[in-house]
Amino acid sequence: QVQLQQSGPGLVKPSQTLSLTCAISGDSVSSNSAAWNWIRQSPSRGLEWLGRTYYKSKWYNDFAVSVKSRITINPDTSKNQFSLQLNSVTPEDTAVYYCARESDGGSSFWGMDVWGQGTTVTVSS
Amino acid sequence: DIQMTQSPSSVSASVGARVTITCRASQDISSWLAWYQQKPGKAPKLLIYAASSLQSGVPSRFSGSGSGTDFTLTITSLQPEDSATYYCQQGNRFPFTFGPGTKVDFK
Repeated sequence: QVQLQQSGPGLVKPSQTLSLTCAISGDSVSSNSAAWNWIRQSPSRGLEWLGRTYYKSKWYNDFAVSVKSRITINPDTSKNQFSLQLNSVTPEDTAVYYCARESDGGSSFWGMDVWGQGTTVTVSS
Repeated sequence: DIQMTQSPSSVSASVGARVTITCRASQDISSWLAWYQQKPGKAPKLLIYAASSLQSGVPSRFSGSGSGTDFTLTITSLQPEDSATYYCQQGNRFPFTFGPGTKVDFK
């Protein structure tokens, strides 16, 4: 059974960096048949996909344009986890952040089938 | 970005009723669509992928249909545990985008 366990601070000061980690059990961050995503949810923006990392002979990333200049998603194969860093945060980045696995559907979209428990992050001084 | 809309925004129905939720994409996404159920304080749960494929472990009263720009999620014989908010998501183009959600509760 695949599980994702999130960790990281729930309070970040404006202009600082939000950092979260998602530890994977039951699968591998280096799997050739999965992508590892970060998604956030807030009352004002709803569910918002932020980006993903995946391995297909080499590492790839895809990011939402809205955060592309501020976001980093890194895999850590030694710990079988992946992380999110969002720089220069503002109160608009306040949200519940989720990590999620997207199984590779090849020629179709298989959706996000495993989710972390969510981390409420508040950006405030 | 591909915009996803859903209707209705909320629906109240009786136990045993049939409920249909519509999702529309602003451009053709073929069958690159997923449906999720979310209960308060919990992460979304995948119900349907590739527009009409039932995720393993999901009750067969849930079904999805459609392709192109128009999609539906149908719940036949609504059960008390189906009270939740339902979201569609397109996976055809970046950024992946979600609909605003449809809240299902009971009369």
